Amino acid sequence: DIQMTQSPSTLSASVGDRVTITCRASQSFDNWLAWYQQKPGKAPKLLIYKASSLESGVPSRFSGSGSGTEFTLTISSLQPDDFATYYCQQYNNYPWTFGQGTKVEIK
Amino acid sequence: QVQLVQSGAEVKKPGASVKVSCKASGYIFITYHMHWVRQAPGQGLEWMGIINPSGGSTRYAQKFQGRVTMTGDTSTSTVYMEVSSLRSEDTAVYYCAREVAAYGLDVWGQGTTVTVSS
Repeated sequence: DIQMTQSPSTLSASVGDRVTITCRASQSFDNWLAWYQQKPGKAPKLLIYKASSLESGVPSRFSGSGSGTEFTLTISSLQPDDFATYYCQQYNNYPWTFGQGTKVEIK
Repeated sequence: QVQLVQSGAEVKKPGASVKVSCKASGYIFITYHMHWVRQAPGQGLEWMGIINPSGGSTRYAQKFQGRVTMTGDTSTSTVYMEVSSLRSEDTAVYYCAREVAAYGLDVWGQGTTVTVSS
């Protein structure tokens, strides 16, 4: 199984900050990686697919990059609606696996 | 619009089974695979398995092999996920989610809370 490790686990930031979340894989794979946002009591929402492609309707302040074993999600200017938990997920191999999540909190 | 609507919350005793439904609408049901993902209280997301509604083929995470069964009903555009021999560790919110090839999981159900308690 491909293990996905996110860092940091928690991130405190202010509105307007640039935020970067890293996701590292236990083995290299093609860019079948997605990022999701989840708010309390809600289902996850797809933000980024294929490592760097922005899902339709997602604000352009979200971007994804990376390849191989290291991937990043960047929020260029944090907005109040962005305080949430973010998960990476690989869909290169079965079983699909998620990172443990990164909670973005208000500083 | 594309929508996945799941069945309501369940409370079960240890050793029992639970069957959660997920009804799809707004798209051609058989053209997209469906996944199930669960989330224990305060924990992260855990992938459980996938069903191809066209034909019914399935693939499960090894952890759930033998205890989880995913089925589909094309006449009602509904997929089901049954977990047997429930234990307290199965207490979680269970989500169905549609896969778009090469995109990941683009549409999710609202989640079904399953509580296992004696």
